[in-house]
Amino acid sequence: DQQVKQNSPSLSVQEGRISILNCDYTNSMFDYFLWYKKYPAEGPTFLISISSIKDKNEDGRFTVFLNKSAKHLSLHIVPSQPGDSAVYFCAASDRDQFYFGTGTSLTVIP
Amino acid sequence: DAMVIQNPRYQVTQFGKPVTLSCSQTLNHNVMYWYQQKSSQAPKLLFHYYDKDFNNEADTPDNFQSRRPNTSFCFLDIRSPGLGDAAMYLCATSRERQFYEQYFGPGTRLTVT
Repeated sequence: DQQVKQNSPSLSVQEGRISILNCDYTNSMFDYFLWYKKYPAEGPTFLISISSIKDKNEDGRFTVFLNKSAKHLSLHIVPSQPGDSAVYFCAASDRDQFYFGTGTSLTVIP
Repeated sequence: DAMVIQNPRYQVTQFGKPVTLSCSQTLNHNVMYWYQQKSSQAPKLLFHYYDKDFNNEADTPDNFQSRRPNTSFCFLDIRSPGLGDAAMYLCATSRERQFYEQYFGPGTRLTVT
């Protein structure tokens, strides 16, 4: 039972454009959401997070949006850079458990 | 730099031959986690330690055990590896138990022959 879903396994974006990665969840008890970035042969690296009391959190080129009514969050990367090419995992926590999505592979084309 | 280290990065073992994967951290975090990740799947939590308090996930097979002899080190023991246990094993740490930001090691790729 996948409680966190990333329905797009891959995404290609032109350098300089916006990348939008999407994530859906089913458990309304989740109160904290995170995005991780993973390069090949490395472990996931924490990127950005958002608490359920907010609907937006911004850190430089990265912005996470949370729509609780739709149980949907998204990560926006603007502008996209070739170094952003990686697998992005969203994750959710209900303070008792930690759930990852299956990841979206982003390719930024120079 | 403070970090999470996993050794070895690649491990080959034979079917049924016990194997141990190791993880160490210099972050002085209270919580250490072991995840199993198979190709194109989400990382799956096997268990975690909050200090010395061991927490096993309900669906983690008995074949998987863990030890945490001190704050810095945590081991994953697979008593009798099967072909289905071939995966990437990720160790992670977090400061506290509330399952917020976790810091991951590079992983150990286990192959079972």
